[in-house]
Amino acid sequence: DSGVTQTPKHLITATGQRVTLRCSPRSGDLSVYWYQQSLDQGLQFLIQYYNGEERAKGNILERFSAQQFPDLHSELNLSSLELGDSALYFCASSQNSWADTQYFGPGTRLTVL
Amino acid sequence: SQKIEQNSEALNIQEGKTATLTCNYTNYSPAYLQWYRQDPGRGPVFLLLIRENEKEKRKERLKVTFDTTLKQSLFHITASQPADSATYLCALDPSGGSYIPTFGRGTSLIVHP
Repeated sequence: DSGVTQTPKHLITATGQRVTLRCSPRSGDLSVYWYQQSLDQGLQFLIQYYNGEERAKGNILERFSAQQFPDLHSELNLSSLELGDSALYFCASSQNSWADTQYFGPGTRLTVL
Repeated sequence: SQKIEQNSEALNIQEGKTATLTCNYTNYSPAYLQWYRQDPGRGPVFLLLIRENEKEKRKERLKVTFDTTLKQSLFHITASQPADSATYLCALDPSGGSYIPTFGRGTSLIVHP
């Protein structure tokens, strides 16, 4: 158990819909990272937040957005969903920066039908 | 553009042997590199971090080398066990202040009893 929790574990929805994925980092970790993993793309970095502020942006689509709240939990919002958004979404946390060990959550498996 | 390559073919070895996995990168000068283990449907688990000024790092049966001239890292598991069967990912640090971590696609290791 990494100490990072993600909900829900599975999500099945239809194209065009909007969903919210939630992540609670390990106690004491200030950085939260979101990743998307699909069979053909591998693990793709989406976005990082540090202590409530966006720090880095990767291959995140404009239809996706995220935020980190004062209690440091984070949410990833995916809207206007397409079939190609079906993937595993992982959240990870670390103490401060990327040089620190990242602890990954169990992931949310999103299926868009 | 930055590129990371890991063997896409699975590595099959016999229990007790040493497994060696390769991570090559181009157009990149990372300050450090990380190796993760990932089991099917689960989040990656951090194993080792090696910095550019370190040639080798060890942790129990694991050993990582980092050759910045060859732009290559080797990951060794000695006395391999069937429980070591998993996918191993290498990840390179954000360079040039981009703060965007990049993961390889991973190599599947299968240890046969």
